[in-house]
This record gives sequence, C-alpha cells and structure tokens, in this order.
Amino acid sequence: DSGVTQTPKHLITATGQRVTLRCSPRSGDLSVYWYQQSLDQGLQFLIQYYNGEERAKGNILERFSAQQFPDLHSELNLSSLELGDSALYFCASSVTSASYNEQFFGPGTRLTVL
Amino acid sequence: AQKVTQAQTEISVVEKEDVTLDCVYETRDTTYYLFWYKQPPSGELVFLIRRNSFDEQNEISGRYSWNFQKSTSSFNFTITASQVVDSAVYFCALSEVAGTASKLTFGTGTRLQVTL
Repeated sequence: DSGVTQTPKHLITATGQRVTLRCSPRSGDLSVYWYQQSLDQGLQFLIQYYNGEERAKGNILERFSAQQFPDLHSELNLSSLELGDSALYFCASSVTSASYNEQFFGPGTRLTVL
Repeated sequence: AQKVTQAQTEISVVEKEDVTLDCVYETRDTTYYLFWYKQPPSGELVFLIRRNSFDEQNEISGRYSWNFQKSTSSFNFTITASQVVDSAVYFCALSEVAGTASKLTFGTGTRLQVTL
C-alpha cells in the first residue's frame, strides 16, 4: 500500500458525460501528479500540482482539468467524454516537486466510457 | 524531448532463470533521474529504484540488480533466480530537471511472465 488513495476504483459512464476522479496523497506529500494509462498511448503524464499550484502540464486535453485543494487532495475532471478516454487514471504523490523524488502511485481509477 | 525505449515487449522465463530487462533513454539534460516501476496483475504501480545521472554505481537489492551505463544511455534491470511472483509489467521511467516541476516519461513496459 503506497498510502495514496483514489476514488472511485471503477467508473462506467456514457459519451458526453462529465466525471470527477479524486486523489488523496500520502501524508506529508505536497506534490500530486496525474497519469493516464491506455493501451494505445501507454503511461502518459497529464499534470502536476504542488501545494495547490499547477507546476507542469503534459498531454492533457482541454476537456480535462484538475486542481489541488488546501487539504492537498486533488481532483481530475474529465468532461465531454469520448470512447477514447477509457483508460486507467493514476494519481501519484511525492514529498516535493523536485524531479529526484520518487513518485508513489495510487491504485488507479479505471474509467470506461460506453 | 526525452524518450524511454523498452524494446522487449514480452519475456517468458521458467522459474529460477535469470532475466534482464532493457531500458534505453534519450535526454538532452546533463542532470536527470531514472526509475523502475513494477505493475503486477493487480494494477498498481510499485516504485523499485531511483538512480541519478551522476551515480553510475550498480545497485543490488536482494534478487534485483540494476546496471546504469551513461555511455550507452542504458539502465538495465536484472532479476536473478526469477520467481512466479515476479510476473508483472516493468516500466522504466526518466525524470528531467525542469525548475521546480517534474514529470516522469515512461517506456512502453516489458511484460515478464515467469512460469513453473
């Protein structure tokens, strides 16, 4: 158990809908990362937050947004969902935002868009 | 742009065999960090090791060992005397120094199947 929690574990929804994925980092970690794992794209970095501020952005679609709250939990919002958004979404956390920190991953949220 | 290549898509071995998973990376940075993660069938990603670009010492942890060679931009992972529990997908990842931001660039993973 990495100490990173993600809810829900599974999510099934329809095209065009909007969903919110939630992540609680390990105790003491200030940085949160979101990754998407799909069969065709592999593991891709989406976005990073540190202590409430956005720090880095990857291949995140405009339909996706995220935020980190004062209690350090983070939410990833996915809107106007398409079939291709079906994937495993991971949240990870690290102590700081520095690149040498190992990132500890949550169990993931499996999103299925029908 | 940085890139991580894991050319071996899938490897099958019989228990007790040694197996090496290859990882080749590309980066323009002089300071960077390399990682290995394990993804067992249950799906979570488990951190295994971190190596910085200035430390070319090999590392051994039990049955696991890592060989970092900057000259060939490789960071290979060897499992000695493999066990069925080692069956998983293994990812190599690269993190570059970018101010106060960081992100991991992952390879496509190598699926290791260990059978009895």
